[in-house]
Amino acid sequence: GQNIDQPTEMTATEGAIVQINCTYQTSGFNGLFWYQQHAGEAPTFLSYNVLDGLEEKGRFSSFLSRSKGYSYLLLKELQMKDSASYLCAVRDKGAGGSYIPTFGRGTSLIVHP
Amino acid sequence: DVKVTQSSRYLVKRTGEKVFLECVQDMDHENMFWYRQDPGLGLRLIYFSYDVKMKEKGDIPEGYSVSREKKERFSLILESASTNQTSMYLCASSFDRSGNTIYFGEGSWLTVV
Repeated sequence: GQNIDQPTEMTATEGAIVQINCTYQTSGFNGLFWYQQHAGEAPTFLSYNVLDGLEEKGRFSSFLSRSKGYSYLLLKELQMKDSASYLCAVRDKGAGGSYIPTFGRGTSLIVHP
Repeated sequence: DVKVTQSSRYLVKRTGEKVFLECVQDMDHENMFWYRQDPGLGLRLIYFSYDVKMKEKGDIPEGYSVSREKKERFSLILESASTNQTSMYLCASSFDRSGNTIYFGEGSWLTVV
């Protein structure tokens, strides 16, 4: 199984940059996802990393270090609509050989003016 | 676009009732998952299925069962609903291949009174 840790809550100012960290322990790593979830809605996909390094997608970037069991999500030019919960999920192979994602508890980001 | 559809958005059931939550996906995904999401606990895996008629227990299967008679449909069953099963239930699906995104349904809010 996995042990996934991320901060419970973060606050930031509109227009700023924020970094949300995620650490994990897993036996059969097969990729790390970041999802965004607004209150009362389903999670939506943001990024996927399976190799070490930085993946950039517009205002959002995600970094992975497999040797350190560490990832971060970087949000630039913050907007009020970025206030949401950000979920880190790690996928590994289950006992039956299928790819199973396990989610962290999520980081609630509050963006204020 | 991938579509994962959950049949009921909001339900209120009485203690002891049998409850069915239905989920359908239209992308021929092998894997389907049921999670529940509670404040402070994040997304927890109840059951998953990697093929028709195949199912595996997740982290919190007690009090639940599942059915996958057709590839596109994955049902979650609460045999005798209890108040501690009041939660948001999320269905998800994915291809069983490395690198493939997990797609979520809109969620079903279940209240057991």
